[in-house]
Amino acid sequence: EIVLTQSPGTLSLSPGERATLSCRASQSVSNIYLAWYQQKRGQAPRLLIYGASSRATGIPDRFSGSGSGTDFTLTISRLEPEDFAVYYCQQYGSSPPYTFGQGTKLEIK
Amino acid sequence: QVQLQESGPGLVKPSETLSLTCTVSGGSISSYYLSWIRQPPGKGLEWIGYIYYTGGTNYNPSLRSRVTISVDTSKNQFSLKLRSVTAADTAVYYCAGGYTRFDDWGQGTLVTVSS
Repeated sequence: EIVLTQSPGTLSLSPGERATLSCRASQSVSNIYLAWYQQKRGQAPRLLIYGASSRATGIPDRFSGSGSGTDFTLTISRLEPEDFAVYYCQQYGSSPPYTFGQGTKLEIK
Repeated sequence: QVQLQESGPGLVKPSETLSLTCTVSGGSISSYYLSWIRQPPGKGLEWIGYIYYTGGTNYNPSLRSRVTISVDTSKNQFSLKLRSVTAADTAVYYCAGGYTRFDDWGQGTLVTVSS
């Protein structure tokens, strides 16, 4: 089973700033099988990025994904008030189980 | 756009079976994969398993001995059964479209295991 470790656990930033979230895998993940989700309080997760760098339908271009092998990054170029939430990475490159990271909470500074 | 809605009891007794249904609307479930994912209160996400509309399944090895996912194409519904539940199975249960990445999600339903 691939373990995903996200850092930092909590990130405190102000609107307008740039956010960089990290996801590290315990073993190599094929690029096309890494996704990022946003979850707001009381809501279901929403797919942001798939295939490590492709934005899902309707996702603003301030969200971008990058990385390869065991290290992946989600970048939010300029934070909007609605971006403060919890973010999860997920790998689906190996045989099941399809695992998630423990999440990064992005909070307003 | 496809919409997903979970339904089922919000309270289950320890050692009993948790049963949930996911109803798909706004489209046919032909060629559709449906996954179940859960999230204990205040914690992260755990993939439970998926089913294809033809009935093929794949489960998380950690839950495989207790889980059954099934489909009723005539009703556009998928079902989850989790046997011999304990307090550790208390979580929000989501159904989600897809079997690898998850594009569409239901709103989730909280199931509490308690006597």
